Amino acid sequence: DAKTTQPPSMDCAEGRAANLPCNHSTISGNEYVYWYRQIHSQGPQYIIHGLKNNETNEMASLIITEDRKSSTLILPHATLRDTAVYYCIVSLLIQGAQKLVFGQGTRLTINP
Amino acid sequence: DGGITQSPKYLFRKEGQNVTLSCEQNLNHDAMYWYRQDPGQGLRLIYYSQIVNDFQKGDIAEGYSVSREKKESFPLTVTSAQKNPTAFYLCATSFQMNTEAFFGQGTRLTVV
Repeated sequence: DAKTTQPPSMDCAEGRAANLPCNHSTISGNEYVYWYRQIHSQGPQYIIHGLKNNETNEMASLIITEDRKSSTLILPHATLRDTAVYYCIVSLLIQGAQKLVFGQGTRLTINP
Repeated sequence: DGGITQSPKYLFRKEGQNVTLSCEQNLNHDAMYWYRQDPGQGLRLIYYSQIVNDFQKGDIAEGYSVSREKKESFPLTVTSAQKNPTAFYLCATSFQMNTEAFFGQGTRLTVV
């Protein structure tokens, strides 16, 4: 399974853009990059995913490098409610089911 | 979250007893998953099921059992063979290949 590497923690000022990096150098051609976040003691929340192209939705943007070995999640205007653990995951399909392999994630703290 | 119900939220059991965690969904999703999370760690896959009456072991299936008799339900039994059952258990579903997974709010199991 492709593994991901993320910094254990990051800080960002409220109102600024939060850029969370992720390395996935062993990713294969049919594996997607997913981002989830988890607020303490809750279930993870889906943020965004992509294969090759950059993606944007109402929550965030995902920038994937051309060689697909790394990506960056961008929260354009961070708020205090964005404080959470962010997981970058490479999704592997097994018999039609999606296997998400979670690492330890990045603990993002948004400071007032 | 949004159609996935895990119950109960907190569960206490004596060592040596089997316990079953409930996961019900009304999202009409085919795939369902069980994850375990230990303090400060990412999620680890226990079992997953793509369709009714079929399920597969994940990375840490030993000491656990599941059933998938109905599309809506995927109960997890933590047996007495599981050496360290105290953990946060999360159920998830996904509609089809390479779509996002939705997580329940989890059950925190404490074995004393």
